[in-house]
Amino acid sequence: GQQVMQIPQYQHVQEGEDFTTYCNSSTTLSNIQWYKQRPGGHPVFLIQLVKSGEVKKQKRLTFQFGEAKKNSSLHITATQTTDVGTYFCAGGVFSGGGADGLTFGKGTHLIIQP
Amino acid sequence: DTGVSQDPRHKITKRGQNVTFRCDPISEHNRLYWYRQTLGQGPEFLTYFQNEAQLEKSRLLSDRFSAERPKGSFSTLEIQRTEQGDSAMYLCASSPNTIGNTIYFGEGSWLTVV
Repeated sequence: GQQVMQIPQYQHVQEGEDFTTYCNSSTTLSNIQWYKQRPGGHPVFLIQLVKSGEVKKQKRLTFQFGEAKKNSSLHITATQTTDVGTYFCAGGVFSGGGADGLTFGKGTHLIIQP
Repeated sequence: DTGVSQDPRHKITKRGQNVTFRCDPISEHNRLYWYRQTLGQGPEFLTYFQNEAQLEKSRLLSDRFSAERPKGSFSTLEIQRTEQGDSAMYLCASSPNTIGNTIYFGEGSWLTVV
């Protein structure tokens, strides 16, 4: 079955440093979504990428979708304490009549030291 | 509040008991999903409804698990003869009837089996 792998599992940074998490799929994806989950909270949608090579920005966050649509990355510039949480990528495969259920990676836990 | 709501938020039960969780999706959303999340892991897809029809079930969904969405609105997830391995957060999510669209998660129902 489809597998989605994320690295690193944990990332400690000093406040103000940059952060990047990488996501790789075992199969070609139709789309990839990114979610953020705060400690004790639920996943909250950040963005969806659909096109090969797509790059999207949200303030200090930059999301990329690989040319082969099998990998993606999330980069945060100048981290702030509010960025603390776990960042999940979730790969989607359009199966026509299926659920298009997303396959989530295990997430990257971002810990920020002030 | 127009988000996805789940009830109860927390449930502690003894091994062997049955439990039921309820999910009320965002009102205009046709698709409803159930995911399970354990500590340190990403959400795992369990099952999916398109209106009242259950269109896909994960292999994770053993015969002790049953989900319904009788009128295409709210959904229930029942776990019979609970086991300690069932302890997890059960997340409900909904999305509009568009392939690859964003899914919106509820706050989850925490289950602890003792």
